Amino acid sequence: AQTVTQSQPEMSVQEAETVTLSCTYDTSESDYYLFWYKQPPSRQMILVIRQEAYKQQNATENRFSVNFQKAAKSFSLKISDSQLGDAAMYFCAPHSGGSNYKLTFGKGTLLTVNP
Amino acid sequence: DAGVIQSPRHEVTEMGQEVTLRCKPISGHNSLFWYRQTMMRGLELLIYFNNNVPIDDSGMPEDRFSAKMPNASFSTLKIQPSEPRDSAVYFCASSPPLGSPNQPQHFGDGTRLSIL
Repeated sequence: AQTVTQSQPEMSVQEAETVTLSCTYDTSESDYYLFWYKQPPSRQMILVIRQEAYKQQNATENRFSVNFQKAAKSFSLKISDSQLGDAAMYFCAPHSGGSNYKLTFGKGTLLTVNP
Repeated sequence: DAGVIQSPRHEVTEMGQEVTLRCKPISGHNSLFWYRQTMMRGLELLIYFNNNVPIDDSGMPEDRFSAKMPNASFSTLKIQPSEPRDSAVYFCASSPPLGSPNQPQHFGDGTRLSIL
């Protein structure tokens, strides 16, 4: 079974600054995918970014990028030029390929953006 | 393009009553997932279906919980009898066919369930 650790229960950042949220995971799979989801106070679960484990290049989606270290099983999320609307709970979720289609969610990191 | 639709958005009921949560997945998605979110346990997968067939229900807490997917466009999660510890936000999510794991799961807005 996969385990996911988000070691920062809470983080804060000043508007326009950069923040990095950490995530480590444990999996026995060799081929898998990783996702970051965002949950604002409205409680919607919104996909932020995805990464295929077989790709060496780190995924980027506008102001969001990841630092994926496969050997270390680390998948951190960097938010650049933070905006007030980025304030939310962020969840890291690895997903194994093959027949197991489960996402395993971390406990989340609550991000506060200060004006 | 309509997203995953869940109803009701909020449900308050008394202990012992039957509760039914409903979900309409995105058209064309053939995998459907039910999650429960609480402060204590975070986001937990309860059950998921592929092509209307339950694939893994190991997360269903106990016999009081049951889930059905009678067709590709509808699923229910039922709790009978309900207990206060069942209070949580329940999410439904859907995704494209198995074999496309790089496609993310799309979540509904959730049902906030309160059992008094």
